[in-house]
This record gives sequence, structure tokens and C-alpha cells, in this order.
Amino acid sequence: NAGVTQTPKFQVLKTGQSMTLQCAQDMNHEYMSWYRQDPGMGLRLIHYSVGAGITDQGEVPNGYNVSRSTTEDFPLRLLSAAPSQTSVYFCASSYTPQGYNSPLHFGNGTRLTVT
Amino acid sequence: DAKTTQPPSMDCAEGRAANLPCNHSTISGNEYVYWYRQIHSQGPQYIIHGLKNNETNEMASLIITEDRKSSTLILPHATLRDTAVYYCIVRRLNTGFQKLVFGTGTRLLVSP
Repeated sequence: NAGVTQTPKFQVLKTGQSMTLQCAQDMNHEYMSWYRQDPGMGLRLIHYSVGAGITDQGEVPNGYNVSRSTTEDFPLRLLSAAPSQTSVYFCASSYTPQGYNSPLHFGNGTRLTVT
Repeated sequence: DAKTTQPPSMDCAEGRAANLPCNHSTISGNEYVYWYRQIHSQGPQYIIHGLKNNETNEMASLIITEDRKSSTLILPHATLRDTAVYYCIVRRLNTGFQKLVFGTGTRLLVSP
């Protein structure tokens, strides 16, 4: 298994541009989520999904959209990038959303800079 | 979910045991203690979790006090590759990950 794969690894955008961060997992996990990590801060949840066709907002959803058309993929869209969205983005997945013994598996992140 | 408190940084000599403390004094009976770590520029990695009994796996041991208000993650023979930020998290049984809160963790530096 490749685990959780995120692309691209690095991206630079200009303010106002749009882009999609890709996340794919090959572990048949139902739960997928997006976090952002800023210097000196922990991970903050942006959006999550408990299965195909189901998404919900996390702690910091503004400026981001998600969809979950398949079990494997969970893309994160920035419709109009802002400098405040400069961050490292992590995608994570888990076998079941309710299982206490189901740890999160993380991708290696996308480092985004908005100028 | 209960809040956790960890020291911001710790040092450890290579080959020695690294003992990372975590305070979770407001933990409730159905909350588990999880540990993750994040090696520089990588995504967080699951290490171990427990409820009230001590746990051990191939990576580490987890010691939870009898009153469950604190715990210690033990890396028995730290290596340079164990240099990372370690996160202690508490999570209720049968809740989704939307409630999982990563604090700022403990930055462990393993030196030769």
C-alpha cells in the first residue's frame, strides 16, 4: 500500500488564484480529512468526510471547499487564494470514523505559499 | 475532549530512554490517550494509545497513572531518528476525528 498520497509537495500561488490539493488513499478508509499546520501551532482541522458523498466542516473551513465522490480521493480546493492560506496542508485517513482503535494515517503534506 | 499539557522541549542522549510526560488532569473515564509524532517536514505518525493499562508496541511504551491524570511515553533506546515533535492527545471512545485536537507537543532532540 502507498498509504496517503498528497500532491503536489510544493506550490506557490498568487493572491486570487485557485488550485486543488490532491489527496488519495489506497487503504479503503472511510474517514478522510484535511488539516493545516502553521508555525508554532498544532494541526487545525479544515474539512472532513466520513464516507463518499458526505463532507462536513472542521475548525477552520473558510476559504476551502471539498468533495468526496469516491472512497479513495478527497481533494481540497482553494477558490481564491489569500496570503493567510500560506501553510502546510496534511491529508489524513482512518479505517472507521468511530473506531477508537483506528489511528489516523497522514500524508507527507503540501507546502503552499500564497504571495 | 480533555486538554493536555506537555513540556515544550526535551533532550535525550542517543541510546538512552526518552521519557515524555503528558498531563491530562481533566480526562474522563471514556477517553483514550493517543501519542503521535511528527518528524521534520513529514506528516504525523501514530505511535501508541491506551485507556488505563500500560501498553507496549514495537515503537514505544505508554505508562498511564492509576488516576489517569497523566501519562508517559517511553522510547526505550532513543536514536537520532527519534528526533521529532511528540503529541499527546485524548479522545473519547466512539467519537469521530473531528474532535481530535493536536496541541503544540514536545520537541524531542536526541543527541549523539
